Amino acid sequence: GQQVQQSPASLVLQEGENAELQCNFSTSLNSMQWFYQRPEGSLVSLFYNPSGTKQSGRLTSTTVIKERRSSLHISSSQITDSGTYLCAMAPDSGYNKLTFGKGTVLLVSP
Amino acid sequence: GGIITQTPKFLIGQEGQKLTLKCQQNFNHDTMYWYRQDSGKGLRLIYYSITENDLQKGDLSEGYDASREKKSSFSLTVTSAQKNEMAVFLCASSIRFYEQYFGPGTRLTVL
Repeated sequence: GQQVQQSPASLVLQEGENAELQCNFSTSLNSMQWFYQRPEGSLVSLFYNPSGTKQSGRLTSTTVIKERRSSLHISSSQITDSGTYLCAMAPDSGYNKLTFGKGTVLLVSP
Repeated sequence: GGIITQTPKFLIGQEGQKLTLKCQQNFNHDTMYWYRQDSGKGLRLIYYSITENDLQKGDLSEGYDASREKKSSFSLTVTSAQKNEMAVFLCASSIRFYEQYFGPGTRLTVL
């Protein structure tokens, strides 16, 4: 089955630094999403981005289909960005059966 | 906008017990999903449903039943709870294969 590899597993930044989170897929994809998981466990959809680049505020997602990868860039990190970031993809057939990576745990310190 | 609600928020059960989790969405989405999250592991798909009364097995369907009696609701049953089991169950919905939106989760503990 398809695999999703996220890197790094954890990341520590000082407030104001930028972060680059990576997601690599073992198969071609039909869709992919980036999520932020709150400490209590709920998931917030950050981007639905099957291809190309999307930006929302300080967050930018870039998916390169041919290279089977997606990245999430966080600029000027803030303490409130701390948490777990998950990427997920669905293969290019069937419904949106997402396969998730194990996540990147981000800690932003003052 | 819309919202997904899951009940209960916390579920404590006994070994061997049948336990039911419920999910409601008001997005009017056709597709709904149940995922399980264990500590240190990624989310895994248990069941999904592409329309009312439809059920499709995911990668982790053994030990579970599901029911989609209305477009807006999707239930999951743990057929026999396993001792010391701890997991978070997350419900999601989407329009076909587009962006998925998630509920707040149900945290299961089996004594």
